[in-house]
Amino acid sequence: DAKTTQPNSMESNEEEPVHLPCNHSTISGTDYIHWYRQLPSQGPEYVIHGLTSNVNNRMASLAIAEDRKSSTLILHRATLRDAAVYYCILRDDSGGYQKVTFGIGTKLQVIP
Amino acid sequence: NAGVMQNPRHLVRRRGQEARLRCSPMKGHSHVYWYRQLPEEGLKFMVYLQKENIIDESGMPKERFSAEFPKEGPSILRIQQVVRGDSAAYFCASSSQTEAEQPQHFGDGTRLSIL
Repeated sequence: DAKTTQPNSMESNEEEPVHLPCNHSTISGTDYIHWYRQLPSQGPEYVIHGLTSNVNNRMASLAIAEDRKSSTLILHRATLRDAAVYYCILRDDSGGYQKVTFGIGTKLQVIP
Repeated sequence: NAGVMQNPRHLVRRRGQEARLRCSPMKGHSHVYWYRQLPEEGLKFMVYLQKENIIDESGMPKERFSAEFPKEGPSILRIQQVVRGDSAAYFCASSSQTEAEQPQHFGDGTRLSIL
């Protein structure tokens, strides 16, 4: 399975943009990049996913490097509710079921 | 539009008792996944079920743990003769399909404490 590498923790000031990096140097052509986040005492929540092109939704933006070996989750304006652990996950679409593997993720602290 | 429902939210058991954790997937979802999360650790995959069938149980301990997803009713994760090391948060997720583009939707978990 292709693996991802994320910083253990990051800090951001409230109302400022946050860029959460993820390295996936062994990504294959059929791997989708997914991001989830887990707020304290809650289950993981799907945030966004992409394959090659940058993606935007109401929660965040996903910027994918041209060589696809890294990606960045962008929260445009951090709020205290965005304090969570953010997981970057690769999911192989080469055919059939593949189990989802979560790493340790990045713990984001938002400073008021 | 109810999400994934797990109950109970908290469960306390004494060593040697049985724990039964329930998960009702989102409406229309026939794929259910169970994960375990130890304190300060990431989620670990346990088992994937599709109505009445266990598809992948590669993450399940070989003994004392079992899972089912009957034709009617919720999915059940059952832990027999619980030990202190079983204390963890257990999360259930569901999806409509298994393709890599389809996100998994998670419940808020059952926190199991073993006395």
